Amino acid sequence: EVQLVESGGGLVQPGGSLRLSCAASGFTFSSYEMNWVRQAPGKGLEWVSYISSSGSSIYYADSVKGRFTLSRDNANNSLYLLMNSLRVEDSAVYYCVRSTRSSFWGQGTLVTVSS
Amino acid sequence: DIVMTQTPLSSPVTLGQPASISCRSSQSLVHSDGNTYLSWLQQRPGQPPRLLIYKISNRLSGVPDRFSGSGAGTDFTLKISRVEAEDVGVYYCMQATQFPRTFGQGTKVEIK
Repeated sequence: EVQLVESGGGLVQPGGSLRLSCAASGFTFSSYEMNWVRQAPGKGLEWVSYISSSGSSIYYADSVKGRFTLSRDNANNSLYLLMNSLRVEDSAVYYCVRSTRSSFWGQGTLVTVSS
Repeated sequence: DIVMTQTPLSSPVTLGQPASISCRSSQSLVHSDGNTYLSWLQQRPGQPPRLLIYKISNRLSGVPDRFSGSGAGTDFTLKISRVEAEDVGVYYCMQATQFPRTFGQGTKVEIK
């Protein structure tokens, strides 16, 4: 069974940092592109970042470029999102998503940026 | 960026009746590889989104056949032939032809 389990969310002050993790199982992780997509409370979906299967290509939304860093560890079937200089508007549920072309979504982890 | 525009934003439907959602992109979603990466997602209340249809009309295994997708280029449609209670939720179109990936605003399907 395919599973994506996000962790690392929580409450952080503006300007702070968080590192999100996504543990993958049930499929060959190293064969798939991975993404993070977020959803602010009561709002729609916003794509955040993409990493290719090998990790050689990475893209970011303009809203997070320069502040967020995406990486993966194919040996440990894990995806990471390092979020620095967090802003109130980064508050959202963050979903780990396998492939945006035929997507599978995790349950999400909530990030709240507030003083 | 490709802008995805869904209509309507709200769709009250009687059980057993059809529903239709339109999604229009600001530019063609045909990729250089010949595929059109337009997907439809369903988000039930309190749940994460789940993929229903990919590449315009390919239904994911396990998705009821009352869901169908159609369209080409910049105009796409999701149809539910007979709405059931479990279909309540928000439906999103999403393009994965270009970066940044973008989503429609979402269409809320509810029972009258």
